[in-house]
Amino acid sequence: DVKVTQSSRYLVKRTGEKVFLECVQDMDHENMFWYRQDPGLGLRLIYFSYDVKMKEKGDIPEGYSVSREKKERFSLILESASTNQTSMYLCASTSGGLRGSPLHFGNGTRLTVT
Amino acid sequence: GDSVTQMEGPVTLSEEAFLTINCTYTATGYPSLFWYVQYPGEGLQLLLKATKADDKGSNKGFEATYRKETTSFHLEKGSVQVSDSAVYFCALTPGTASKLTFGTGTRLQVTL
Repeated sequence: DVKVTQSSRYLVKRTGEKVFLECVQDMDHENMFWYRQDPGLGLRLIYFSYDVKMKEKGDIPEGYSVSREKKERFSLILESASTNQTSMYLCASTSGGLRGSPLHFGNGTRLTVT
Repeated sequence: GDSVTQMEGPVTLSEEAFLTINCTYTATGYPSLFWYVQYPGEGLQLLLKATKADDKGSNKGFEATYRKETTSFHLEKGSVQVSDSAVYFCALTPGTASKLTFGTGTRLQVTL
């Protein structure tokens, strides 16, 4: 089974802090994604990556950056955390290529910014 | 751009009741369609999918048919169980690209 592991289940950070959310997958997937989940808004794509050192902006990239130095690891960075970034963050990966390849999700990191 | 609209929740049903969660989409071309489920405290997991018109996806008693003429992918189950209580997300991806666009999710609560 594909495993997508997010390093923290819960995080509490202060406004202005730099925050790193880590995600690792063990199936050699090319594609990795970061979503945030908010009530009433569903999942919104922040950034994604189709290859090492490659990144693409999603629908809501403002206030975030990402890093993909190794194929298995995709990091989401909040340069200066703000209270409106309090949310559930979900990482996902897929092999892509084939039509209809499903995404495999981690269990999420619930971030609270105070 | 692409979008997915699904019915507002929460949906509350008694055990063994029939379930329908409506999902419609807007997309160019021929997207693949998915239903994901999120159980409490967990990430999302794929429930079922369909990759072309008139395909029926099915899993764990759930079914959904890709209807291109009505741009719909409604989720159905004949007899729900308490263990089906979760949030259900409809999603699409265009062509062979992997990026998913999600609906807002529908919470299902099944009671005894």
